[in-house]
Amino acid sequence: EAQVTQNPRYLITVTGKKLTVTCSQNMNHEYMSWYRQDPGLGLRQIYYSMNVEVTDKGDVPEGYKVSRKEKRNFPLILESPSPNQTSLYFCASSHRDRGVYEQYFGPGTRLTVT
Amino acid sequence: GEDVEQSLFLSVREGDSSVINCTYTDSSSTYLYWYKQEPGAGLQLLTYIFSNMDMKQDQRLTVLLNKKDKHLSLRIADTQTGDSAIYFCAESRFGNTDKLIFGTGTRLQVFP
Repeated sequence: EAQVTQNPRYLITVTGKKLTVTCSQNMNHEYMSWYRQDPGLGLRQIYYSMNVEVTDKGDVPEGYKVSRKEKRNFPLILESPSPNQTSLYFCASSHRDRGVYEQYFGPGTRLTVT
Repeated sequence: GEDVEQSLFLSVREGDSSVINCTYTDSSSTYLYWYKQEPGAGLQLLTYIFSNMDMKQDQRLTVLLNKKDKHLSLRIADTQTGDSAIYFCAESRFGNTDKLIFGTGTRLQVFP
């Protein structure tokens, strides 16, 4: 089954404790992204990757890091989480089909930083 | 600007039509999309429209695009309780291979 998986689904942590949210896709997509979803703000892109070892900042990259060592994995790293990073996070991968970019989303990770 | 705006809530009776509206600001948008987010899940692509089209119909879904006014709408005919979800419009721009600009989302509630 074609899918994007994220782990963990729920995480409660404390300020300053490094954490990693994993993301994996089995569709051989080149493009992967991380978004955060906040009430009234929709989805905002954090980072994206166009291929292995190619990553770039999205709209809200501060406080986050990513890496793309393999095509299927795109982990999101919070080196020193702060309460304003409490949010719902989505990983997505995408491919281009006749000019249309369809993004496939993971189920989301709800992060609470106290 | 990059804002994509939607109203936050819409409530309709089962069997009626729902119309969810979206306005965007970038006239260079190539494709416009509608995504659906069910409770506790990620977003799923519902439908899309190319910017040189005015209308696209797909079963119960009708997408209307007014490029002059930068207005996009999604009409759901015969709305069912299973249509209750958050609906996001999104735009992509020529030359940017992956970036989608999402709206704030409209929460559709269908009551019996």
